[in-house]
Order: sequence, then C-alpha cells, then structure tokens
Amino acid sequence: QVTLKESGPVLVKPTETLTLTCTVSGFSLSNARMGVSWIRQPPGKALEWLAHIFSNDEKSYSTSLKSRLTISKDTSKSQVVLTMTNMDPVDTATYYCALHGGYVHWGQGTLVTVSS
Amino acid sequence: QLVLTQSPSASASLGASVKLTCTLSSGHSSYAIAWHQQQPEKGPRYLMKLNSDGSHSKGDGIPDRFSGSSSGAERYLTISSLQSEDEADYYCQTWGTGIHRDVVFGGGTKLTVL
Repeated sequence: QVTLKESGPVLVKPTETLTLTCTVSGFSLSNARMGVSWIRQPPGKALEWLAHIFSNDEKSYSTSLKSRLTISKDTSKSQVVLTMTNMDPVDTATYYCALHGGYVHWGQGTLVTVSS
Repeated sequence: QLVLTQSPSASASLGASVKLTCTLSSGHSSYAIAWHQQQPEKGPRYLMKLNSDGSHSKGDGIPDRFSGSSSGAERYLTISSLQSEDEADYYCQTWGTGIHRDVVFGGGTKLTVL
C-alpha cells in the first residue's frame, strides 16, 4: 500500500522560507517512470501545481512560482522536500504531495498559514 | 501551451447519470489525463487515468459507477446512479512532455447532486 504524508510548519511568518517534507511509504523513489508533485490549494480555491521531480532527478516548476521554489528528493529516506522562499499571506493553503506512478497517490495534505 | 478546460459547475439528480468534460488545448488531443475527486473538506482522491483511445485504469476501490471515455480533445468522466456522496469537486490533470514536463490541472467542476 502506497502512502504519502506531508510534514512541516503549520504557521510561518511573512518573508520566511517554508520547508515541507513528503514521506513516501510502499513505493521506491528510485523506480523508473515515477515522479512526485507538490500541489497547493488556498481555502475555497482550486488545486494549483507547484513542482515535480522525476525518478532521474529532473525537476519542473510552475512558471509563476519558479523563482521561489526548490524541489529535491532523498531516495534513501524516501522523502521529497519542497522549499518556498519569501512566504506571503496569499501563500496560505493546504499543501499536498502526490506520487505519479501507475496511479496517482495523494497525501492527506498539510495546512500552512502565513501570518505575522 | 498545455491547458485543461472544465466547466465550473454541473448538477444532476440523485440516481441519474452525469457526464463531466475536460478539454485539452489545441495540439494536445493525444494526451492522457487523470480524473480526481475532492469531496467537501477532504483531500483529492485519484479516480482514473484516461487515455486518448478511451481506455482507462481506475484507482483501487473506485466503484463501477465511475467510467471514462474520450473523443478527440475531450475527456469525459461519467458517473451513473448518482449518490449524495458524489457531490464533490472533480479535477482533470495531465502531464506535459518534452522540455515542458509540467503537471497541469483543470480549474475543476463542482458537481451538485439534487
């Protein structure tokens, strides 16, 4: 059974850097044709894709947020990490990770609030 | 540019069927998509991957009431025998290729079960 769990701070201050970790169980991040995405959803709004990392370590970023995002993975720990710099209240959202293998497996999400 | 277009809302009666549409942008009609369901106050749930030929692979535990089909650049999700728990937001999603390997989401369709 594949499970994903997001972890990180629930509250960050404006201008701070957010670091989120996605821990994957039941699936190896070294599998070919695998990728992990980070997606966010502001309250009451639609899903917004942020970044994706492939099994070969190739990365892809949302054009509008590229300058603020870094995605990386640690295969030995089965973790994918997203950092987002210069956080703003408009970045308040539930952040999800999702594994794209044969299926798409979603984490439960973690709500991050940006406030001073 | 790879874009997915969905109607913002749809409605159908309890026990009836509904067909939701996701349209791929010009030049991308061969792309596969995935359908995801998000019930109120819950996280998204993968429903199926849908190919351009209409073949699809559903996630574990997805009822037979959910099916997918394709026609040209259109990708459809049909839900039959609607139940109250089918009231949810439905998102389509696809994967870019080549040098633009982005993940793209449609804006979502809010389904109301009357």
